Amino acid sequence: DAGVIQSPRHEVTEMGQEVTLRCKPISGHDYLFWYRQTMMRGLELLIYFNNNVPIDDSGMPEDRFSAKMPNASFSTLKIQPSEPRDSAVYFCASSMVGELFFGEGSRLTVL
Amino acid sequence: GNSVTQMEGPVTLSEEAFLTINCTYTATGYPSLFWYVQYPGEGLQLLLKATKADDKGSNKGFEATYRKETTSFHLEKGSVQVSDSAVYFCALSEGGGATNKLIFGTGTLLAVQP
Repeated sequence: DAGVIQSPRHEVTEMGQEVTLRCKPISGHDYLFWYRQTMMRGLELLIYFNNNVPIDDSGMPEDRFSAKMPNASFSTLKIQPSEPRDSAVYFCASSMVGELFFGEGSRLTVL
Repeated sequence: GNSVTQMEGPVTLSEEAFLTINCTYTATGYPSLFWYVQYPGEGLQLLLKATKADDKGSNKGFEATYRKETTSFHLEKGSVQVSDSAVYFCALSEGGGATNKLIFGTGTLLAVQP
């Protein structure tokens, strides 16, 4: 299995632009998670889905952030408009029972 | 709410030294406990886990015991190698593992020198 696949690996954009991060979970996994990692706050859970349905989005920082999972093999995290404080590494993870499998992350820099 | 507290790093050791990274937790119910490792430029990988009190998780020479009386899950390794240099995260699962939702500590950077 190829594991959790995220794209892009690196994104540099200017403040105010829209950013879309993508994730392909491991086939057969029914949970999908979006985490954000920064030096200041560590790993924060933003949102997670079960069977493509958002279960808990209490970690989404504000309305500029949105996430979708249109089918079992694809999810997006969108930031519109982006701000410099959104600069972080965004991880997607999937699981079936117990262990979470993480992607390699998308490093976002907002100038 | 549930939370995880781990010792701050960086922890710098010489090769073959003994390693302990402390982790304590606050939780209602009976969470499962995990250690994840993150190598430079990579995502997190599960290192070991324990699902109930007094369970010992072990992998690659690392061990951790689920201590309910002290609400702790300290990570240990008898002899570290340079290749163990990474960031280590302690985590607990809410909902008794039913939701797989993990709460992570802030991470501890381990640097092993030859």
